[in-house]
Amino acid sequence: GNSVTQMEGPVTLSEEAFLTINCTYTATGYPSLFWYVQYPGEGLQLLLKATKADDKGSNKGFEATYRKETTSFHLEKGSVQVSDSAVYFCALVLAGGTSYGKLTFGQGTILTVHP
Amino acid sequence: GAVVSQHPSWVICKSGTSVKIECRSLDFQATTMFWYRQFPKQSLMLMATSNEGSKATYEQGVEKDKFLINHASLTLSTLTVTSAHPEDSSFYICSGGLVDTQYFGPGTRLTVL
Repeated sequence: GNSVTQMEGPVTLSEEAFLTINCTYTATGYPSLFWYVQYPGEGLQLLLKATKADDKGSNKGFEATYRKETTSFHLEKGSVQVSDSAVYFCALVLAGGTSYGKLTFGQGTILTVHP
Repeated sequence: GAVVSQHPSWVICKSGTSVKIECRSLDFQATTMFWYRQFPKQSLMLMATSNEGSKATYEQGVEKDKFLINHASLTLSTLTVTSAHPEDSSFYICSGGLVDTQYFGPGTRLTVL
């Protein structure tokens, strides 16, 4: 089956520190990969995505590159802010058949950024 | 991006009652929507796929008679938790969109007393 594994949290950083959240996946086909962010008490927001190998998704200073050879999609940001404190979810979806639109999520990583 | 709304945002009910949660796509048509459940500090678990004009498809282990899903139009899916019990207390989130981009509602916090 399909699965997503994220690095365990929580992650605590000081403002302006470098962030990496690791994500690896297993899939029976060729998935699209996503990072979603969830702020306290809210639903999920799409942060970035990549649909094929070597694609780089980016948004709000966050980046992630689809690495097929290592089945990874690590999230990075060069300088985090307090407002980045949230839960980050890595996810995948397969395009066809009965898996249409069904997202498989990692367990989530809690990020706390201190001033 | 596209917008998905949910109503209510939170609800408290007594054990044994039923609760209906609405999920609407505000600026796109969704033939398929998804319902997830999230426990505190845990990931989202897919409950069911809601299909416009046909029966929902439930994931293994989800009781279809307890979690009734209706997708009566291209912009509205509803989840009814029937005869709710305290163990049904959770955060319920819906999504809709394209095959490779799902947009999520803000979630509904259900507390069953």
